Amino acid sequence: DTEVTQTPKHLVMGMTNKKSLKCEQHMGHRAMYWYKQKAKKPPELMFVYSYEKLSINESVPSRFSPECPNSSLLNLHLHALQPEDSALYLCASSQGLAEARNEQFFGPGTRLTVL
Amino acid sequence: GQSLEQPSEVTAVEGAIVQINCTYQTSGFYGLSWYQQHDGGAPTFLSYNALDGLEETGRFSSFLSRSDSYGYLLLQELQMKDSASYFCAVKSNYQLIWGAGTKLIIKP
Repeated sequence: DTEVTQTPKHLVMGMTNKKSLKCEQHMGHRAMYWYKQKAKKPPELMFVYSYEKLSINESVPSRFSPECPNSSLLNLHLHALQPEDSALYLCASSQGLAEARNEQFFGPGTRLTVL
Repeated sequence: GQSLEQPSEVTAVEGAIVQINCTYQTSGFYGLSWYQQHDGGAPTFLSYNALDGLEETGRFSSFLSRSDSYGYLLLQELQMKDSASYFCAVKSNYQLIWGAGTKLIIKP
């Protein structure tokens, strides 16, 4: 299984809502990532987990809260978002942070709209 | 600072060959990666060069010159399905640093 799955595919939420994005991989990868991508821009790294521990937080606002319940799952909890947070949220995984190649496998993404 | 430069847009004709260049400036270098992303889709890994030279994978090839901090992606026998954005990326401090992306437009 070389697939990363993400749910939901689309999400519309108000600024007072709380929602969660989910990501799952069964490739035995030890590193998992959350990216945010705006139209016509490259993916922007938000968080990196290595062996289920948060390794990198790219100064992301606290309204985004990541969670890694186990080695296969990655969640992103959303609360009190702003309209400018509307974007494609991508989850990715790779074998490990120490791997030089760092080939990342991406999920299809969640298209988030904040009203 | 760390940066990767690539053209914002390249246009080519179906069946032709196109080259997408990438120059980089990073602290620490392990290798140069290329990703493809179709509109509405997710990035997919295409290639990785750690050493100087050309790596070929089917219609796609990737080249690296470490001394020039330069690489390129070569796409041959272009097909309409190759219309996408192409990103070069470099690993630095356990994360990928991405170029801004090159939108490849293919005309019939």
